[in-house]
Amino acid sequence: KAGVTQTPRYLIKTRGQQVTLSCSPISGHRSVSWYQQTPGQGLQFLFEYFSETQRNKGNFPGRFSGRQFSNSRSEMNVSTLELGDSALYLCASSPYRQGNGYTFGSGTRLTVV
Amino acid sequence: AQSVTQPDIHITVSEGASLELRCNYSYGATPYLFWYVQSPGQGLQLLLKYFSGDTLVQGIKGFEAEFKRSQSSFNLRKPSVHWSDAAEYFCAVGAEEYGNKLVFGAGTILRVKS
Repeated sequence: KAGVTQTPRYLIKTRGQQVTLSCSPISGHRSVSWYQQTPGQGLQFLFEYFSETQRNKGNFPGRFSGRQFSNSRSEMNVSTLELGDSALYLCASSPYRQGNGYTFGSGTRLTVV
Repeated sequence: AQSVTQPDIHITVSEGASLELRCNYSYGATPYLFWYVQSPGQGLQLLLKYFSGDTLVQGIKGFEAEFKRSQSSFNLRKPSVHWSDAAEYFCAVGAEEYGNKLVFGAGTILRVKS
């Protein structure tokens, strides 16, 4: 059974650009969540999608957005990149809507220069 | 609001020694509690979880955790640590009304000395 796949693994972008990260959940998992991990702030919840609908959102500016497709694959987009957006972005999938715990991907390391 | 405190930023133990990583949470109702482990440059792996029932939970790799409601704690234990256990460990809390959103602690970095 394939795990959660995130692409790309590494990304370098310039301030002001935008970026799209991709996540393919485990087959059959309908819930996809995104987290940002930085040394200073730790792991912070970005948003959760379930059956193509955003169900929950963290405290991030509107520059951070996401979507989920009918096959449960998800993308997150960050527009007008800032240096502080440099982080490891982790995608996690779960089969159920609530409280089952996640399977995490290996993450996308975004560096903004 | 939910919060999680992992009071120890770093812990060093000798290989073969026992381990206990502390986790305290703040949440009014019955929480869902998790422990994850992260190796450098990798994602997080679920070690164990508590939803309800038996307060002593067994996980993978020989880890266990005990939920103590009176102390709002969910400490992770392992009787004998192996060098391969060196990693960063995260405690997380969720709740039914928050769906799949988890709040993570700041993490504890475990070093194992031979």
